Amino acid sequence: GENVEQHPSTLSVQEGDSAVIKCTYSDSASNYFPWYKQELGKRPQLIIDIRSNVGEKKDQRIAVTLNKTAKHFSLHITETQPEDSAVYFCAAPAAVDSSYKLIFGSGTRLLVRP
Amino acid sequence: NAGVMQNPRHLVRRRGQEARLRCSPMKGHSHVYWYRQLPEEGLKFMVYLQKENIIDESGMPKERFSAEFPKEGPSILRIQQVVRGDSAAYFCASSPGRLSGANTGELFFGEGSRLTVL
Repeated sequence: GENVEQHPSTLSVQEGDSAVIKCTYSDSASNYFPWYKQELGKRPQLIIDIRSNVGEKKDQRIAVTLNKTAKHFSLHITETQPEDSAVYFCAAPAAVDSSYKLIFGSGTRLLVRP
Repeated sequence: NAGVMQNPRHLVRRRGQEARLRCSPMKGHSHVYWYRQLPEEGLKFMVYLQKENIIDESGMPKERFSAEFPKEGPSILRIQQVVRGDSAAYFCASSPGRLSGANTGELFFGEGSRLTVL
């Protein structure tokens, strides 16, 4: 089955700096890679995702890159702001019959220092 | 369009009691997933259901835990004879269906049910 590993577990950056979180996956058939953000006491929410037919996707200050050969993908946040402080989870799909479930990484706690 | 609704938001039980957690998926969604999140930890898959059918329960403990998604009404995660180790946030998520070009693949999460076992 799919196995997703995420690092670092914690990341502290100065406001305005960039933050990078990396994930690896095991199933070479996986073709969809989302990133979720979870603020303290809140529900996880999708912030960006990428499909395997592209290598990079950007949305304002966040971007995701995918290396299918190496089976890893990364979240990049530029010009970080205090409101970016949260736990970020990567995920990859595991096939279930004709559908799928998402397997999540262990999370990265990002702290942006003002 | 209301999002995924979970209740109760907070539940306190004593050891040995039963906990029932409910989840109503987004309108039009037929796929429901339950995840458990221990304090300071990640989201662990428990079970995946469609209406009247358990698709994958590989993440659910074999004993004391059960889940259902009846034809009518919400999905229910039931924990019998709770123990302290069951204390966690239980998140429900829904999706419209298969991961395909038509579907984004996004799971929509509820706000979670936080179970505390005394």
